[in-house]
Amino acid sequence: GIQVEQSPPDLILQEGANSTLRCNFSDSVNNLQWFHQNPWGQLINLFYIPSGTKQNGRLSATTVATERYSLLYISSSQTTDSGVYFCAVGAASNTGKLIFGQGTTLQVKP
Amino acid sequence: DGGITQSPKYLFRKEGQNVTLSCEQNLNHDAMYWYRQDPGQGLRLIYYSQIVNDFQKGDIAEGYSVSREKKESFPLTVTSAQKNPTAFYLCASSSGPLKPNQPQHFGDGTRLSIL
Repeated sequence: GIQVEQSPPDLILQEGANSTLRCNFSDSVNNLQWFHQNPWGQLINLFYIPSGTKQNGRLSATTVATERYSLLYISSSQTTDSGVYFCAVGAASNTGKLIFGQGTTLQVKP
Repeated sequence: DGGITQSPKYLFRKEGQNVTLSCEQNLNHDAMYWYRQDPGQGLRLIYYSQIVNDFQKGDIAEGYSVSREKKESFPLTVTSAQKNPTAFYLCASSSGPLKPNQPQHFGDGTRLSIL
């Protein structure tokens, strides 16, 4: 099956700093989503981005499907950005099934 | 507001007991999913359903069962055959088989522990 690797596993930032999170995947996908899990466990969908670039406020994401990676950019980080960021991909079988990476744990210090 | 409701938030199970986790959605989504999350880990798919009265096993279905009698509801039963049930369980939904690659939206989860 598809393997999903996220890096770095842990990241500590000072408030206001920028960061880039990476997601590599081992096979062709037609579904890629980024999620944020807050300290209470709630999982929020940030982007549905199987290819191309999207921006939402301070967050943006880029997926280069031909090279099998996606990047999540966080600019001017805030303490509320803390939590775990997951990348999840779906294969071309169109079942909607997602395979999750292990996540990047982000801590933003005031 | 539309969304996914999971209940209860916390659940305790005795040895040899079956327990059922509830998941209800009012998003008019056809597809629903159950995931398991262990501490410090990503999510793993237990079961999924793309349409009413149909469901398929995910990667870790052993010791679990589901039903999909209504579009809005997808309950998960953790049976006594699941030897390590302590985990955080998350339910999700998305548009469904006609639009399979759409964003998945999650409930707030149920934390299950063994007494």
